[in-house]
Amino acid sequence: DAGITQSPRHKVTETGTPVTLRCHQTENHRYMYWYRQDPGHGLRLIHYSYGVKDTDKGEVSDGYSVSRSKTEDFLLTLESATSSQTSVYFCAITRTGSINEQFFGPGTRLTVL
Amino acid sequence: GQSLEQPSEVTAVEGAIVQINCTYQTSGFYGLSWYQQHDGGAPTFLSYNALDGLEETGRFSSFLSRSDSYGYLLLQELQMKDSASYFCAVLRNFNKFYFGSGTKLNVKP
Repeated sequence: DAGITQSPRHKVTETGTPVTLRCHQTENHRYMYWYRQDPGHGLRLIHYSYGVKDTDKGEVSDGYSVSRSKTEDFLLTLESATSSQTSVYFCAITRTGSINEQFFGPGTRLTVL
Repeated sequence: GQSLEQPSEVTAVEGAIVQINCTYQTSGFYGLSWYQQHDGGAPTFLSYNALDGLEETGRFSSFLSRSDSYGYLLLQELQMKDSASYFCAVLRNFNKFYFGSGTKLNVKP
């Protein structure tokens, strides 16, 4: 357990509404990641962060933005949710000195109607 | 870009040995990882190979051949609790990870 929590754990929203998902870690690790998981696609990297205010895009970043104003929090925002963004979202961290191993949060199930 | 290929589904009998293969194409390759995910749960780390060869951790072993861009996960003495999805993932430069689409392992009694 790497002290990762995600909120909310479940959310149902309507197309066109903004949505923010939160990832919180208690161990002050530098690297944090957001993935989405859909059947048949495994985990796909959306955005990641390598420090406060330092973020970069992953392979499926369109329609998503992120912010990291504190080491412990990494926020994922869907500015205007679409049905194609219905998915399970996982946050992950890598521990300093063990960058080859990722620890995942419990996930957020998002449904966009 | 990058791609990872692994079988979508594998079935094996309790007590048997099963091998899950992963081939990859990517630039900036650092190493290959394996993760296990039970239905409804989060992925959990199993192993990591940065160099060619076999790494053993209990009933699980992982192999990497960098020249062939190929790796596999070997599960021995299969148990019912091993029924899960298994993902290979490459670690690339800038600490980015890219995952395969996963192999669903069904263990039958």
